[in-house]
Amino acid sequence: NAGVTQTPKFQVLKTGQSMTLQCAQDMNHNSMYWYRQDPGMGLRLIYYSASEGTTDKGEVPNGYNVSRLNKREFSLRLESAAPSQTSVYFCASSRLLAAQETQYFGPGTRLLVL
Amino acid sequence: RKEVEQDPGPFNVPEGATVAFNCTYSNSASQSFFWYRQDCRKEPKLLMSVYSSGNEDGRFTAQLNRASQYISLLIRDSKLSDSATYLCVVGYSSASKIIFGSGTRLSIRP
Repeated sequence: NAGVTQTPKFQVLKTGQSMTLQCAQDMNHNSMYWYRQDPGMGLRLIYYSASEGTTDKGEVPNGYNVSRLNKREFSLRLESAAPSQTSVYFCASSRLLAAQETQYFGPGTRLLVL
Repeated sequence: RKEVEQDPGPFNVPEGATVAFNCTYSNSASQSFFWYRQDCRKEPKLLMSVYSSGNEDGRFTAQLNRASQYISLLIRDSKLSDSATYLCVVGYSSASKIIFGSGTRLSIRP
């Protein structure tokens, strides 16, 4: 089992460009998450999907959109990238949406917006 | 004030030493507690859950103090491979959400 996979691993964008970060999990998990990690800020939740067909905003959703394509895949889109979106993005999944569930993370996407 | 606070470190200790660090949380409604480990430029991974009675996993011991609203992680006989950032995570069952601390960096020197 690959667990949680993310593509791409690295990306450089110019301000105003758009891109989609892809995430897939093969653990048959119901819930999936997108986080960003910035120095000194910890992991902050951007969007999450409790189950296939549902998505909800997290702590920092502005400038992002998501799609839960099916149970396995959850994508994050930046419509018009800004330098403030330079960060490391992690996708995660868990069996259920519950505070006591372990979250499993993908390897991350390092994004630089110039 | 952050909901979950950790000393960023770095804690720089010699191999074989015992090291401990705490994490404080502000919301008394917190119900789930975890320590995750994150290696440099890697993803976070669950190290251990923290139970009310405390729990031990090999060289690692986690404790919860609800009265003072903090959790702790103790590492005995530290190894070079323990060098990492340790993330404190607090969960709220009512909201089905978890909050990550910004991490404590640990560096073990030979």
